[in-house]
Amino acid sequence: AQSVTQLGSHVSVSEGALVLLRCNYSSSVPPYLFWYVQYPNQGLQLLLKYTSAATLVKGINGFEAEFKKSETSFHLTKPSAHMSDAAEYFCAVSGSSGDKLTFGTGTRLAVRP
Amino acid sequence: GAGVSQTPSNKVTEKGKYVELRCDPISGHTALYWYRQSLGQGPEFLIYFQGTGAADDSGLPNDRFFAVRPEGSVSTLKIQRTERGDSAVYLCASSLIAGGWETQYFGPGTRLLVL
Repeated sequence: AQSVTQLGSHVSVSEGALVLLRCNYSSSVPPYLFWYVQYPNQGLQLLLKYTSAATLVKGINGFEAEFKKSETSFHLTKPSAHMSDAAEYFCAVSGSSGDKLTFGTGTRLAVRP
Repeated sequence: GAGVSQTPSNKVTEKGKYVELRCDPISGHTALYWYRQSLGQGPEFLIYFQGTGAADDSGLPNDRFFAVRPEGSVSTLKIQRTERGDSAVYLCASSLIAGGWETQYFGPGTRLLVL
């Protein structure tokens, strides 16, 4: 069974500040890890995914995440927040043979001017 | 190209009624998934199809929920005898093939409200 824990249901940063959204996973098999973003009244959009090719994964809109097996973490970062980054972010995990995504409870990011 | 589409975008029904929610996946995608997202929560898996067959329906909460994909493209999620607790956003996703590494592309969802 797989699960993810997202620490911090709400994160607030100033425009231009570092964004750090935390995700820890639990998996009995080598995991595939995903970050999705959800804007109000829109569907989920993939930001990036880890599929074991490289531990540092770069995604869209300047986001990146690093897979750390020793810490069972896959934290999402962006060096400089933009107002348009305000949204809800979900970390998700799937197993090597399983296909369904198991999502965390989400982190709502607010960006202050 | 066109993404995943879902209809209706909103559905209001009364307790005890029957509802159908439709999903049109991206053309050529063989795998199709249904998730349910309650307020303040992450999406929860319901069922997924590989082609026409349900490969995993372990997330369906009870036998009031049923889904079909008769021609391997469009899918319909059916809910009988709706309850207020069924109120949620129902999300559909598709991927090229079924595999843990595959990107799932999500539709905008159907917001179901059971009065």
